[in-house]
Amino acid sequence: QKEVEQDPGPLSVPEGAIVSLNCTYSNSAFQYFMWYRQYSRKGPELLMYTYSSGNKEDGRFTAQVDKSSKYISLFIRDSQPSDSATYLCAMSADRSNYKLTFGKGTLLTVNP
Amino acid sequence: EPEVTQTPSHQVTQMGQEVILRCVPISNHLYFYWYRQILGQKVEFLVSFYNNEISEKSEIFDDQFSVERPDGSNFTLKIRSTKLEDSAMYFCASRPAGPVNQPQHFGDGTRLSIL
Repeated sequence: QKEVEQDPGPLSVPEGAIVSLNCTYSNSAFQYFMWYRQYSRKGPELLMYTYSSGNKEDGRFTAQVDKSSKYISLFIRDSQPSDSATYLCAMSADRSNYKLTFGKGTLLTVNP
Repeated sequence: EPEVTQTPSHQVTQMGQEVILRCVPISNHLYFYWYRQILGQKVEFLVSFYNNEISEKSEIFDDQFSVERPDGSNFTLKIRSTKLEDSAMYFCASRPAGPVNQPQHFGDGTRLSIL
């Protein structure tokens, strides 16, 4: 079983739609969960960062973590064409080095 | 907003040659990382660096690879005797120290092409 699994898509939605992106993981040691956005030929850009289970909201973005199910989600409300990118989930364990383990990324296209 | 800077953006090298990828982390950050992303694959951890020494490395990071912080601002990844399979995007990341884990911030990467 892969450590972090993420549906690569591609996912295509109309402008204004609610987008749901998900990752599952197998390593119960993961405590820190992140979502990064990556535009073509650019580095990952931090969007959301959460610790342990629960929800976190920032503007149009909501991150959810369910540690009991080993499942994390990112919701994008009122999606915009500028949201078109690859979304990467990443997570790390509670150890001093905090190396990140990434999902493969979901390619999202928001159509005007 | 402070950012991680990587140079060059694209490096083309003949197989067997040595290459040095350079990074300037965010100035008050103390933890440094290198990751790579082979085309179409996941971003993979290579190495973490703290207090002037490697703190963890992956199985990818073999004797061919080395890292260095030659001065107070640069962080470099050296690949000796490059192979075709080293072709990838290489990302540098950094994060600050703190009482809890702080998220990592990434540069825009160096695209390494081995011919």
